[in-house]
Amino acid sequence: QSALTQPASVSGSPGQSIAISCTGTSSDVGAYNYVSWYQQHPGKAPKLIIYDVSNRPSGVSSRFSGSKSGNTASLSISGLQAEDEADYYCSSYTTSSTGLFGTGTKVTVL
Amino acid sequence: EVQLVESGGGVVKPGGSLRLSCAASGFIFTGFSMHWVRQAPGRGPEWVSWISGSTTSIYYTDSVKGRFTISRDNAQNSLYLQMDSLRADDTAVYYCARDLSAYSYDYWGRGTLVTVSS
Repeated sequence: QSALTQPASVSGSPGQSIAISCTGTSSDVGAYNYVSWYQQHPGKAPKLIIYDVSNRPSGVSSRFSGSKSGNTASLSISGLQAEDEADYYCSSYTTSSTGLFGTGTKVTVL
Repeated sequence: EVQLVESGGGVVKPGGSLRLSCAASGFIFTGFSMHWVRQAPGRGPEWVSWISGSTTSIYYTDSVKGRFTISRDNAQNSLYLQMDSLRADDTAVYYCARDLSAYSYDYWGRGTLVTVSS
């Protein structure tokens, strides 16, 4: 299976809102409400920020939110902060009982 | 505090084998399914394998089927990945990760680097 498709880069100024898309197929993103999102800073392990499309784990800022429509999921970050500069990856459960990550998006805070 | 600590990485020649371990603590290990996820240098994460808490169900990504074997020892709170017939494209940092809900990974280890090179 090919990786889920994300934009290579997204940028915004502090305080602005940005959105990152994650496009899959009816065999992954579109099949279930099992899309998750991860933030990764250089040299660190990925950190879960959204699971089951729109749920935030305990301790994750409410500035992060997730949604899904059809085969495309989205991560929104409001009130952009310097610490949000990182790589972001979506991930989905698939109809083959496997996992599938996205291509990744580099977020730059201008 | 949940902790996952991987070990066993290193440099191996193509065709060689390695066994990775992941020591888990701070949670009821048998109550969670577990994953191995890898990340090649400069690339995004790639899901590798999943094992249920009871070990009755196991899945692999296609590229490692027949070469890698996931297992766990619930008495020792440990997860393993036996990697055989290693190839250059298996070079990556290998993470163990806990499953929160249908392949969402809420806790990750720091990873162990596997380098396959002649």
